[in-house]
Amino acid sequence: SAVISQKPSRDICQRGTSLTIQCQVDSQVTMMFWYRQQPGQSLTLIATANQGSEATYESGFVIDKFPISRPNLTFSTLTVSNMSPEDSSIYLCSVLTGNEKLFFGSGTQLSVL
Amino acid sequence: GIQVEQSPPDLILQEGANSTLRCNFSDSVNNLQWFHQNPWGQLINLFYIPSGTKQNGRLSATTVATERYSLLYISSSQTTDSGVYFCAVSGAGSYQLTFGKGTKLSVIP
Repeated sequence: SAVISQKPSRDICQRGTSLTIQCQVDSQVTMMFWYRQQPGQSLTLIATANQGSEATYESGFVIDKFPISRPNLTFSTLTVSNMSPEDSSIYLCSVLTGNEKLFFGSGTQLSVL
Repeated sequence: GIQVEQSPPDLILQEGANSTLRCNFSDSVNNLQWFHQNPWGQLINLFYIPSGTKQNGRLSATTVATERYSLLYISSSQTTDSGVYFCAVSGAGSYQLTFGKGTKLSVIP
């Protein structure tokens, strides 16, 4: 398994501002992902965070809105930029371990006013 | 991409009852996992099961890859089993998991 620390756990932000979410893993992992869970909905993949190169974004998500950094195999950040109320969601960091199991951080609950 | 359908969307059980949750997927998969999201939002990995059958205590899962479905069995349900159960899959050549819409389970005493 993997222990994933994600922070902040929650935040309330004003529209037009940006928030950076941090994800720290207790071991080196190759595959790290960021998901979004809108209220009452399932999980949607935002992007795959690639170590040492640009993230790979899913359809509907762009780098200008959700810039991602992955400086090493244990850490990643997701920034939600120029926020609007529609960005209010839970953002989740996840990692795929060597036995191909996916583990999640505790999530960041974001509310945009 | 792969489509994932879960049923039923909602399920209410009396404590002690058994239940079966279903996950259908539209294409062959190389990875299938079941998750439980508790009422506080934490996602717990229950099973990695792209094929075959596994058991863990009161929970068991079966995936019939050739027929493109997976089942999660919960026996002797407890109130702590309440939450949302998600099935997630990835197809050949992909590491990215696609989630179904989930089954919301409520176990009442």
